Amino acid sequence: GQSLEQPSEVTAVEGAIVQINCTYQTSGFYGLSWYQQHDGGAPTFLSYNGLDGLEETGRFSSFLSRSDSYGYLLLQELQMKDSASYFCAVLNTGGFKTIFGAGTRLFVKA
Amino acid sequence: ETGVTQTPRHLVMGMTNKKSLKCEQHLGHNAMYWYKQSAKKPLELMFVYSLEERVENNSVPSRFSPECPNSSHLFLHLHTLQPEDSALYLCASSQDTGSSYEQYFGPGTRLTVT
Repeated sequence: GQSLEQPSEVTAVEGAIVQINCTYQTSGFYGLSWYQQHDGGAPTFLSYNGLDGLEETGRFSSFLSRSDSYGYLLLQELQMKDSASYFCAVLNTGGFKTIFGAGTRLFVKA
Repeated sequence: ETGVTQTPRHLVMGMTNKKSLKCEQHLGHNAMYWYKQSAKKPLELMFVYSLEERVENNSVPSRFSPECPNSSHLFLHLHTLQPEDSALYLCASSQDTGSSYEQYFGPGTRLTVT
């Protein structure tokens, strides 16, 4: 079977750093993506890791370790607008079948 | 705006009704997707189209019938739905199926089946 696990909720304060972890079990792994979804909004693409290591995009970074079947999304200098749900998603070696995690709800407090 | 539009945004239908959801992408992409998003559950991939050809049907009941007349438009035809089909239906697109790691989503249609 295939599964992704990520925490259901995380709370952090404005200006802080938060890390959202994602572990996966899949029969064929190609890469790991991250998406953000605000309440009532559409998921929006944040980052993709096809190779091990860290990818940085502004305040957001994403990390992948294939050997550990693990990745994380790092959000720095948190802002109130970062309060949203964050989904990790595994792309299988079939190429087009993306499996999403259940999402992590991030609450940013003042 | 992501370049992907969906209509209607909200839909209430009875179990005996027939309705259609529409998705249009203005990004020049070649792959389009339908997802179902229910509360507290992961996004569920329903269908994948590549250049108007269906390449994935993820064990979806036949009461959901997709149609892709061209690479910019995608429909989801609904008939004799069940209350458990109430959910947010999201359309997405990507440059091609090989780039499905980066998908662009529409705002979704909130469907309620009564």
